Amino acid sequence: EAQVTQNPRYLITVTGKKLTVTCSQNMNHEYMSWYRQDPGLGLRQIYYSMNVEVTDKGDVPEGYKVSRKEKRNFPLILESPSPNQTSLYFCASSLSSAGVAGYTFGSGTRLTVV
Amino acid sequence: KNQVEQSPQSLIILEGKNCTLQCNYTVSPFSNLRWYKQDTGRGPVSLTIMTFSENTKSNGRYTATLDADTKQSSLHITASQLSDSASYICVVSALRGGGADGLTFGKGTHLIIQP
Repeated sequence: EAQVTQNPRYLITVTGKKLTVTCSQNMNHEYMSWYRQDPGLGLRQIYYSMNVEVTDKGDVPEGYKVSRKEKRNFPLILESPSPNQTSLYFCASSLSSAGVAGYTFGSGTRLTVV
Repeated sequence: KNQVEQSPQSLIILEGKNCTLQCNYTVSPFSNLRWYKQDTGRGPVSLTIMTFSENTKSNGRYTATLDADTKQSSLHITASQLSDSASYICVVSALRGGGADGLTFGKGTHLIIQP
């Protein structure tokens, strides 16, 4: 089944403790992206990747890192999480960013930083 | 600055009724417009994708329209069902080079269907 898999689904952590949210897609998509979703703000892009070893900042990249060493994986790293990073996170992939191919979203990761 | 505005912010209708959601955008140069349905706590799921030359596209009880001249789109839901309760997000894509990755998201319309 074609899908984007995120792990974990739920995560509670303490301020400053490094964490990684994994994202993997099995559709051979070139484009992958991370978003956070907060009430009243909609989806906001954190980082995106046009292809392997190519990553770029989105609208809200501060406090996050990403890597794209393989086509299928695009992990989101929080080196020192803070409470303002408590949010619902989504990973998405597509054949390309601005083409007519649709985006496939993961099921989301609900992160709470205390 | 590229922007996507959706209205209304929220909407409550009775089961079986029709409704129309609006999306106005100022994204340029325009590539395509997508409507997504997002159930609470889940990832968005694509409903329709329209390019510049397409005026209307249907997906079951969902019909999207696009007026590229006025930069407006609408999503019409016919004979609503309880399962239609969700947020509906309009996403406009610019041709590559027009933005960070060409995507601008609306904040969504929260639709509640009451029995």
